[in-house]
This record gives sequence, structure tokens and C-alpha cells, in this order.
Amino acid sequence: GQQVMQIPQYQHVQEGEDFTTYCNSSTTLSNIQWYKQRPGGHPVFLIQLVKSGEVKKQKRLTFQFGEAKKNSSLHITATQTTDVGTYFCAGRNGGTSYGKLTFGQGTILTVHP
Amino acid sequence: GAVVSQHPSWVICKSGTSVKIECRSLDFQATTMFWYRQFPKQSLMLMATSNEGSKATYEQGVEKDKFLINHASLTLSTLTVTSAHPEDSSFYICSARDAVGFYEQYFGPGTRLTVT
Repeated sequence: GQQVMQIPQYQHVQEGEDFTTYCNSSTTLSNIQWYKQRPGGHPVFLIQLVKSGEVKKQKRLTFQFGEAKKNSSLHITATQTTDVGTYFCAGRNGGTSYGKLTFGQGTILTVHP
Repeated sequence: GAVVSQHPSWVICKSGTSVKIECRSLDFQATTMFWYRQFPKQSLMLMATSNEGSKATYEQGVEKDKFLINHASLTLSTLTVTSAHPEDSSFYICSARDAVGFYEQYFGPGTRLTVT
């Protein structure tokens, strides 16, 4: 079945440093979504990428979708303590825009002030 | 934004008893709801997908007779953990997909189940 691998599992940074998490799928994806889960909370939708090579920005967050639609990345510039949490990518099977989401393992981000 | 509620937020039950968890979409209609299970510091594992008015589709390895799912309306789905055992202790999260739009999933706050 489809597998979505996410690295790194943990990332500790000093406030102000940049952070990147990477997501790779074993199959071509129709789209990929990113979620953030704060400690003790539930996943909150951040963004969806659909097009090959797509790049989207949300303030300090930059999301990329690979040309082959099999990988994606989330980059945070100048991290803040409010960025703490687990970031999950979730991919949808190729050929459909409404198939089930397969979640990556998540990257736990810790930001030291 | 769309809101999904879950009830209860946490529950402690004795081994052998059954527990029902409710998932409601508060301000939109959800044709599809998903039930996930999450262990500490791990990812979300999809248990089943439920469509309103039809039987749920369970993922491989998930016992349908143990985890009963009912999706009786466009705003309510329930998960019943039957004859619970300590190994069923986990964080259960539902999510609902809007009937329109680009199929963003909205997650509920989760239910922490502890079986003693």
C-alpha cells in the first residue's frame, strides 16, 4: 500500500533558526496536505498542494510540492516559540482528489527561546 | 472555519465494557467521516472511513466487530469500542470532510480513552 515517509522525526532549534521537514511518498500523489498538531491538541489543516512543482507561502511558512508529485517540504523561516508542535504531511492517492489521506510519521519541532 | 466536535474528550472505563464516542460536524454537512487512532508521539492511523447512510470501510487489521461505526446523519458519526481492553487505550480522533469544496478534512479535538 501507499507509504508516506517524513523526516526528521525530531528537530530542536533555537528561536530564530530555520526549520525544514521533508515528506516522501512511495507512489504519485494527487495532492498533499500539511497539518500542525500542538502538544495535547488535534491536527489543524495548514495547506493543500495540488500542482506539480507548486510553491505556496503562508507568512514564514513555505510549502513545496515536487515535480513528480511524490515529495513535499515545509520550511519555516526564523522559528518562533509558537511554532512548537508536530507537523504532519498527508498524501492522497494519485488519480483522485477525494481518496483517503495517508499521514506521514510527523516531525516534532521544539523551539528553544 | 468548520468545526468538528467530539464527545467525550476523555473517558476511563473498565476492561470488558463498551464506550461510545460521538463526532459531530457543527456548521457543515459531512458526507464522509474518518476515524483515526493515535498513540503518543506517533502518527495518525486511519481506522475506518464512514459515509452517511452506508457501512463503514475498515482499514486492514482493524476489527469491525470491535470498533463499531455508525454514520446516521450528515452531521454525526459514532465509534463504539466494544469489550474494551487496556490495549485499546489510545487517542481517538475523528475528522469530517465537507460535502463541497476541495475536500479539506477538519479534525475533532480527540477523545482520550483509558481502559483499566
